Amino acid sequence: EAQVTQNPRYLITVTGKKLTVTCSQNMNHEYMSWYRQDPGLGLRQIYYSMNVEVTDKGDVPEGYKVSRKEKRNFPLILESPSPNQTSLYFCASRRAGSYNEQFFGPGTRLTVL
Amino acid sequence: GENVEQHPSTLSVQEGDSAVIKCTYSDSASNYFPWYKQELGKRPQLIIDIRSNVGEKKDQRIAVTLNKTAKHFSLHITETQPEDSAVYFCAAGGQYGNKLVFGAGTILRVKS
Repeated sequence: EAQVTQNPRYLITVTGKKLTVTCSQNMNHEYMSWYRQDPGLGLRQIYYSMNVEVTDKGDVPEGYKVSRKEKRNFPLILESPSPNQTSLYFCASRRAGSYNEQFFGPGTRLTVL
Repeated sequence: GENVEQHPSTLSVQEGDSAVIKCTYSDSASNYFPWYKQELGKRPQLIIDIRSNVGEKKDQRIAVTLNKTAKHFSLHITETQPEDSAVYFCAAGGQYGNKLVFGAGTILRVKS
């Protein structure tokens, strides 16, 4: 089944404790993105990747890191999480090209205490 | 960069009525405009999209219109049903497809 997966789905952590949210897709998509969803703010892009070893900042990259060592994986790293990073996070992927559908993962609800 | 504004933020309609959600975008280079539906606790899923060379597209009860001159596009849902209740997001995509900018979302409630 073609899909985007994320882990963990739920995470409660404390300020400053490094964490990684994994994202994987099995559709051989070139483009992958991370978004955060906050009430009233919609989906804001954190980072995106156009292919292996090619990443760039989105609209809200502060406090986050990403890597794209393999085409299928695009982990999101929070080196020192803070409470303002409490949010719902979505990974997404799509084929290269302007008009291709973007597929979202199931989401990761992160709470930073 | 691109900026997408979406209105209204909430919309309540009676079952069977029509619902219209409007979005405006700022970057004239944007050429792809998808709409996503997000049910409670679920991921956003594409329901319809339109390319810049098309003015209108329909799929059963939903339709999208695009006015490139005015830089706005709209989602129309006819004969609304309770299962249409969800959050709807519009988005605008750039020339190279690497970035989708989303609107803030519209909470649609269909009252039966």
